[in-house]
Amino acid sequence: NAGVTQTPKFRVLKTGQSMTLLCAQDMNHEYMYWYRQDPGMGLRLIHYSVGEGTTAKGEVPDGYNVSRLKKQNFLLGLESAAPSQTSVYFCASSYSGVESQPQHFGDGTRLSIL
Amino acid sequence: GDSVTQMEGPVTLSEEAFLTINCTYTATGYPSLFWYVQYPGEGLQLLLKATKADDKGSNKGFEATYRKETTSFHLEKGSVQVSDSAVYFCALRGYGGATNKLIFGTGTLLAVQP
Repeated sequence: NAGVTQTPKFRVLKTGQSMTLLCAQDMNHEYMYWYRQDPGMGLRLIHYSVGEGTTAKGEVPDGYNVSRLKKQNFLLGLESAAPSQTSVYFCASSYSGVESQPQHFGDGTRLSIL
Repeated sequence: GDSVTQMEGPVTLSEEAFLTINCTYTATGYPSLFWYVQYPGEGLQLLLKATKADDKGSNKGFEATYRKETTSFHLEKGSVQVSDSAVYFCALRGYGGATNKLIFGTGTLLAVQP
């Protein structure tokens, strides 16, 4: 009954450090997404993937990279972390891109950049 | 572009009070509409959805009706409980297009007091 699993749950980085956030889903979903959540701004889409081996930019892609080497995993990378990237990051997946399909979310990763 | 506007919070109610959280949207075509709920420290969970005009989504005593004429999808519950305290997000997913991404409102914090 795992659904969407994100690791790690919390992380503190120093400016300039790099890290990778991992998202794994066990629902055989084609589409996967990375969002960031900031106070008063709702969720904003960073990058998304419509299938294994594909990635595309969302609303706020600068400073992030992603990879989808396996269908079940979607990685979000920060090459050189900046304080502006302090946020809560959510991964989501959906069965397809049909508009009626809901997205299923992980529990989030709280990231602080000092 | 597509957008969602929801009432600002926080909304503070006493247990058993009636709840309304307003949500209006702007979109081309025929989007699907969703309400997600986020409990403290958790990810977003789908609460209910509606995929066409006049549809009513319902779950756990919550209801929302897709009103195309007023471009609204207001969330209602007849008698709230302390356990309903959470942040509620209205969202739409557009019809067609390359991303089929979810577009979120900024969220409304609901606090229910015993």
